[in-house]
Amino acid sequence: ETGVTQSPTHLIKTRGQQVTLRCSSQSGHNTVSWYQQALGQGPQFIFQYYREEENGRGNFPPRFSGLQFPNYSSELNVNALELDDSALYLCASSLGLAGATDTQYFGPGTRLTVL
Amino acid sequence: GQSLEQPSEVTAVEGAIVQINCTYQTSGFYGLSWYQQHDGGAPTFLSYNALDGLEETGRFSSFLSRSDSYGYLLLQELQMKDSASYFCAVKNYGQNFVFGPGTRLSVLP
Repeated sequence: ETGVTQSPTHLIKTRGQQVTLRCSSQSGHNTVSWYQQALGQGPQFIFQYYREEENGRGNFPPRFSGLQFPNYSSELNVNALELDDSALYLCASSLGLAGATDTQYFGPGTRLTVL
Repeated sequence: GQSLEQPSEVTAVEGAIVQINCTYQTSGFYGLSWYQQHDGGAPTFLSYNALDGLEETGRFSSFLSRSDSYGYLLLQELQMKDSASYFCAVKNYGQNFVFGPGTRLSVLP
């Protein structure tokens, strides 16, 4: 039990729709990262927020966007859904200490299926 | 860019020792982490090496050699519950994490 929660657990959308996924981080964790994990592959880094500002982004198009709120919750928004967006979406919170052992605590994930 | 390589699958028997290797190409990073993920579950942190050498945590040990761009996770006294996927990951100087493709470990009775 990491103390990181995500909602919803599962979601089915159709191509072209928009989706918002939510994450609640551990209290005191200033950093939240979002990952996309396709079946049988490693997590792919989407972006990271530190104290409500994006401070790192992976190789994902602008239709992937996010928000982080002062209450340690965050959102991942995906517009114009494509079939390839079907994956497990993971959020991970950490203390946000640059250069330190910044252990990430993952939530259980949201399984998104795009039809 | 950064990339990490791991064997896709490893099989071992209960009680045995298994080593999962990770080689990487990255311009700069703080340290090498290892995560375990059971089917249908979330990745959980196992170990972290900031410096070269061996780190031991119970049955798990992890090793890093920056000069060889290489690390490994060593699992001793294997148990059935160790059957899972194992990922190496680096935190680069851009504060981003890069994960390897994962190694699926199967522990046989």
